[in-house]
Amino acid sequence: EVQLVESGGGLVKPGGSLRLSCSASGFTFRNAWMSWVRQAPGRGLEWVGLIRGRADGGTVDYAAPVKGRFIMSRDDSTNTVYLQMNSLKSEDTGVYYCTTNVGEDCTSGTCYIVSSLAFHWGQGALVTVSS
Amino acid sequence: QSVLTQPPSVSAAPGQRVTISCSGSTSNIGKNYISWFRQFPGTAPRLLLFENNKRPSGIPDRFSGSRSNTSATLDITGLQTGDEANYYCGSWDNSLRVVVFGGGTKLTVL
Repeated sequence: EVQLVESGGGLVKPGGSLRLSCSASGFTFRNAWMSWVRQAPGRGLEWVGLIRGRADGGTVDYAAPVKGRFIMSRDDSTNTVYLQMNSLKSEDTGVYYCTTNVGEDCTSGTCYIVSSLAFHWGQGALVTVSS
Repeated sequence: QSVLTQPPSVSAAPGQRVTISCSGSTSNIGKNYISWFRQFPGTAPRLLLFENNKRPSGIPDRFSGSRSNTSATLDITGLQTGDEANYYCGSWDNSLRVVVFGGGTKLTVL
């Protein structure tokens, strides 16, 4: 069973920093693409960033609002992905979800591994940026 | 303003069918798979459909999807009160090099 468990959320002052962690289990992590998606209070989903798996070079892409302030990284030895958030602003407040693209396609009757956008989600970590 | 456009809300009676649209462009829906997500209040989103129209294990066949050119639709038949939730579409955008989501559609089962 795939499990994604976020931790590290909390209250931080504007301009401060916070690091979120996402511990993954139940799938082969080293080649998995991992993303962070956030949701401001009462708002929709907003993609934050993506880190590709080892086989795809581990490259990273970020959404424009966080580029230059947030850094995604991964530790394949502990199956953990991180989101280092710097220069935090009030508009960064929200629930941050860890997702993985790794999933199973069983539509043909035989199951096989697939990579598809945000196949599994964690329960989320609340980040509040306020003075 | 979201790159993918969804109606803010839709409603229908129990047992009826509802369609939720998702409009994009040639750089996202036109070239890449669309996924649909469902989110109940206070809980994490969950994948509903992937690769335009495939259901993960556990999702009933009342949920189906299609894609045509730069638009996609999510169809829900045999509506139940338990289907009340927010529904989001998402895709990769080749030009922006980001994942894009729709603004979400609130489904009300009257």
